[in-house]
Amino acid sequence: DAKTTQPPSMDCAEGRAANLPCNHSTISGNEYVYWYRQIHSQGPQYIIHGLKNNETNEMASLIITEDRKSSTLILPHATLRDTAVYYCIVRVGNSGNTPLVFGKGTRLSVIA
Amino acid sequence: GAGVSQTPSNKVTEKGKYVELRCDPISGHTALYWYRQSLGQGPEFLIYFQGTGAADDSGLPNDRFFAVRPEGSVSTLKIQRTERGDSAVYLCASSLLGGGTSDPDTQYFGPGTRLTVL
Repeated sequence: DAKTTQPPSMDCAEGRAANLPCNHSTISGNEYVYWYRQIHSQGPQYIIHGLKNNETNEMASLIITEDRKSSTLILPHATLRDTAVYYCIVRVGNSGNTPLVFGKGTRLSVIA
Repeated sequence: GAGVSQTPSNKVTEKGKYVELRCDPISGHTALYWYRQSLGQGPEFLIYFQGTGAADDSGLPNDRFFAVRPEGSVSTLKIQRTERGDSAVYLCASSLLGGGTSDPDTQYFGPGTRLTVL
């Protein structure tokens, strides 16, 4: 079972920031938080990941709370092409490759 | 560069038939994963290869499913005696690193093969 909880759906106005929350209250010290998204009829796409510190890349920012029990993915200026299902995943590091355990994710609809 | 490719993109078969689904990972990626995604659900793990060997096949639902990666690159997922419940999108992912690192490597997914069993 997925170790994360996400709202099933969210709407965001085009051009505004989309803030997608994720709860992972049972996360362990060696588990990373990963975000993927899946646009309709495509395979999942990696967005960003982090362990403790906030992270930013060209796609998004990841804010992880100090207790690491929750995180927020931020798309700073959402566009219509950001409409997708967003998955928050926790995954163990230091143990070799491990499969991703997906939940149902959050369906983000960006509205013009 | 080229991403993960999967063929065919769509496969329609009849109940009881045998099917093969192919995955071409990103060149140089040592790890390869198969997932299955049913409608409205997130992908579910099936099997993971490190090189030529299956490092974890705990997600295969039963012995009708098996996968090979004989040369450590291309992989084939094989399903015998297909059932209607096997209908799903089958996703393949690959990653560069082979473990042994504190920062788990990123998996890159292909577009999937949509399997329909009539």
